[in-house]
Amino acid sequence: DGGITQSPKYLFRKEGQNVTLSCEQNLNHDAMYWYRQDPGQGLRLIYYSQIVNDFQKGDIAEGYSVSREKKESFPLTVTSAQKNPTAFYLCASSASEPYEQYFGPGTRLTVT
Amino acid sequence: GQNIDQPTEMTATEGAIVQINCTYQTSGFNGLFWYQQHAGEAPTFLSYNVLDGLEEKGRFSSFLSRSKGYSYLLLKELQMKDSASYLCAVMDSNYQLIWGAGTKLIIKP
Repeated sequence: DGGITQSPKYLFRKEGQNVTLSCEQNLNHDAMYWYRQDPGQGLRLIYYSQIVNDFQKGDIAEGYSVSREKKESFPLTVTSAQKNPTAFYLCASSASEPYEQYFGPGTRLTVT
Repeated sequence: GQNIDQPTEMTATEGAIVQINCTYQTSGFNGLFWYQQHAGEAPTFLSYNVLDGLEEKGRFSSFLSRSKGYSYLLLKELQMKDSASYLCAVMDSNYQLIWGAGTKLIIKP
């Protein structure tokens, strides 16, 4: 079964700690994305990667970091520099065409 | 700047028809997507329009007018399971998706 997995579904951390969210896909997609979703707002792009070992900042990259060492994997680290990290984080992937993005189930991060 | 506008919330009756509008202003246009998102879950793809006109897919249809910067999603024969948020997203000239805030659709029996 092809798809995208994210783990864990719920994550709790104390302020000041870094945390890494995993995202794995077996769809053989080149492009992968990380979004953040807050209540009442659209999805906001954090980082994206169109090829292994390359990634670009999205609209709200400050306080986040990523790596893309394998085609299948695109982990996101939420650092202590991120001022408001509590949110629903969604990972997605897409082929070059037809461009539609497929989403993982999401990770809900709560930082207290 | 880039902007996608859609109503925040709509209410409809089971078995009826509802139209969710989306207007956009973006840097370039490479297609418009509609996604469905149930509460607490990931968005799932519904439709893609890149040319003007109506695309029909079962109970769901999507319309695009590029000259007006306008799209709508039409849902027919509404079912309770259609209660969800519907997200409009436009692919800009850099092939990045610009997302609307979503329309929460409430279906009443």
